[in-house]
Formats: sequence, structure tokens, C-alpha cells
Amino acid sequence: QVQLQQSGPGLVKPSETLSLTCTVSGGSIRSYFWSWIRQPPGKGLEWIGYIYNSEITYYNSSLKSRSTISIDTSKNQFSLELTSVTAADTAVYYCVWQSPRGGYWGQGTLVTVSS
Amino acid sequence: QAVVTQEPSLTVSPGGTVTLTCASSTGAVTSGHYPYWFQQKPGQAPRTLIYDTSNKHSWTPARFSGSLFGGKAALTLSGAQPEDEAEYFCLLSYTGARVFGGGTKLTVL
Repeated sequence: QVQLQQSGPGLVKPSETLSLTCTVSGGSIRSYFWSWIRQPPGKGLEWIGYIYNSEITYYNSSLKSRSTISIDTSKNQFSLELTSVTAADTAVYYCVWQSPRGGYWGQGTLVTVSS
Repeated sequence: QAVVTQEPSLTVSPGGTVTLTCASSTGAVTSGHYPYWFQQKPGQAPRTLIYDTSNKHSWTPARFSGSLFGGKAALTLSGAQPEDEAEYFCLLSYTGARVFGGGTKLTVL
């Protein structure tokens, strides 16, 4: 059974870096697409980017300059860093695995950008 | 970047049938876009109902089905139940990128 468990701070100050981690069980962290997605309050879903087969990354063009997705196979984790955050980055952030077995979501982390 | 369009809102009667669609600004949606459909209820994380056009998860109620129709991805709900009231999002894959539709708010009334 695939499970994705998210961790990371719920409050980040403006201009600082948002860092989130997703710990995976029941699925191979080395395979397929591991994505980060966010949802601002009351709005729709926005794809941030993914890491594919543990080495290829691709980002939403609107967030590319500030986003980094990385993977730690020894810990079965993948992570998101979003730099220079502003209030517009306040959202629920989700990690998601897309594979031939389907799509699996983390529980979500509300990250508020505020001083 | 492509734009993915869904109906903003739809209403279905209990026991009725409704089809939600997902269109791409780049042209016809094909199996190569690997369409996904997600259901999200208030205060909850989304969950995947359909992946790769028509595949279901073990938790996907049998009344939901996915297909391609008229150049769009489609999610059909046959025999709507009150608990199906939710927002539904589609996701399409392009070369590299992923793009979500804006979501369809489905009311069962």
C-alpha cells in the first residue's frame, strides 16, 4: 500500500525559503513521477514540478526560477524548496506519485507566508 | 503553456448521469495526455479516481468511468449519489509539463 507522508513548517517568513519533504512507503522512490502540487486557499490546483526516475526534473515555467525538487533514495524521500516566498505562495502543498499503479497523494501541508 | 478547460459547475439529480469534460487548448486530448481525474471534498486532500484515461483505483466507485470523447477527456458518473457532491479536477500531461483544469463543482440536487 502506497503512502506519502509530508513534513515541514507551516509558517515561513517573506523572502525566506519554503522546504517540504515527502516520505514514501510502499512505492519505489526511484521510479516514475514524483510531483509537488499546491492549492491556494479557495482556488484550484497548480502543478509545481516533478522529479522523474530519480534524476530528471521539470518545473512549471512560472515557478521554475524559484523551485528545486530533489530526491534522497537512502531515506525514501523527495523534497521541495521554493525560494524568495511571498504571500502569494501561501497554499496547501501536496506531494503526489504518478505511476502505472495510479496517482497517490500526501495529506497536504498548509504553508502560510507571513512575518 | 497549454490551458486545460473544465465546466465550472454542473448539477445532477440523485440517481442521474452526468459527464464532466476536460479540453486542451492545444487540440484534441488523446491517451498520450494520460488524463487523470481527481475528486476533492471540502477540507480534504484530492484523491485520484481515474488515471491514464480510464483506469480506476481500488477505491474508485464503479459508477465513475473515464474515457475520451469528442476530442476531450471525460469523466462520467452514472447513478449519482449525494456523497459525489465535490469538486473534480482533471490533469493532462504534455511534453514535460503537467497542467490542471480549473475544476468542476458538481452539485447533486
